[in-house]
Formats: sequence, C-alpha cells, structure tokens
Amino acid sequence: LAKTTQPISMDSYEGQEVNITCSHNNIATNDYITWYQQFPSQGPRFIIQGYKTKVTNEVASLFIPADRKSSTLSLPRVSLSDTAVYYCLVGGRNTGGFKTIFGAGTRLFVKA
Amino acid sequence: AAGVIQSPRHLIKEKRETATLKCYPIPRHDTVYWYQQGPGQDPQFLISFYEKMQSDKGSIPDRFSAQQFSDYHSELNMSSLELGDSALYFCASSPPTGGSETQYFGPGTRLLVL
Repeated sequence: LAKTTQPISMDSYEGQEVNITCSHNNIATNDYITWYQQFPSQGPRFIIQGYKTKVTNEVASLFIPADRKSSTLSLPRVSLSDTAVYYCLVGGRNTGGFKTIFGAGTRLFVKA
Repeated sequence: AAGVIQSPRHLIKEKRETATLKCYPIPRHDTVYWYQQGPGQDPQFLISFYEKMQSDKGSIPDRFSAQQFSDYHSELNMSSLELGDSALYFCASSPPTGGSETQYFGPGTRLLVL
C-alpha cells in the first residue's frame, strides 16, 4: 500500500479556494486516489476519486500530475461547514486488496 | 439512498465484559470493513470481508473477532474489554467495481468501557 503524506493542518477564510496536496511517491500502476472528509464523531465521507489528470464533481476537483506521485484536492469557495479532516487514500482492489490505511489527515480550519 | 446501518449507536460496558457491534452494508455491496477510531486519532483498519470471507486483517486485537453472514451483515465481537477499547467503531461497505475502491461509512458505534 502506498504511503501518503499530507499537511497536518491548514487555515483558510470563508470564500477562499483551498488546495490540499498529498504526496504518494510509491503509488502503484493500478492504484486509485481517493479523498474523504470527516467531521467530528462522524464516519468519513467520500469526496472524490481519480486515477490521472483532472476530475471534478459538484463539491471538489482533484488534480493528478502525469507522474501520479502527488495529488491536489481543490475546494472552491470554502465555508465554515467545510471545517473538517481530509484524508487522502491510495490503493484499489487490484493492489491493496481490502486493507485500507488511513494516514494522518489534514485538519482544515475555515474562519469567518 | 440507503446507507450503511450500524447498531447500537452507543454502548457502555464495563471492563472484562463483551460487546457485539452490528453492521448492515448498503444493498448489493460485496465488501465490509471495520475501523476503530480513538479520540483525536485517525481511523485504524481492523478487518475486512469480501463476499462473506475474511479478506484482510489490520490491527485487530486477538480479543476481537468478526464475521460476515449470508445476508452480508457483519458483526464485530469484542471480549475481555479494556479501557483502551473505548472508541468510535466504524463499518464501511463498498460496491463491486473494476479496480477502484470507494467506501461508504456508517455513522459509527461509540463504545465506552468503564
């Protein structure tokens, strides 16, 4: 399973764009990159997943460079309710099987 | 849309007692995962089941066991409870996919061991 490294914490203000970068130098060919959001005392919630290039959905964008050794989660115009922990996970059924390793996530604080 | 169901939502036990946590995955999901999350910590993978067979083990103590039943629901059995077992326990399920693995988490069971 590829090890991931993210910033421990980030601060932002409402209305700003937030970019959280995750490093995964040992990513395998068949690995996918998945981001989850977790609020206190709740289960992690799927945000976005990608394999390469750029993926966008209604809540975020995910940028993956050609070498796939890192990825950046982009949250447009954050609000106070985006204050949460964000986890980057790398793997898939064909590589890590059904074992998931959550690294240390990024604690995002959004201020008014 | 249906979500992962966990029961009970809260549980209080005393040291050396046993506890059973239940998880009902989203219909047609073929994989179930269990996680433990202590206060201020990141989720720790315990064990997973694929098509009712144990697939991977993580940092699950020997005092814990789990199984997945024919209806795909899963149970985590915890014996000889210790104070350090107090945590949030999450169950997640994932659908059959070609290679990616998206997990859908339940609301968790908060276990307090006194």
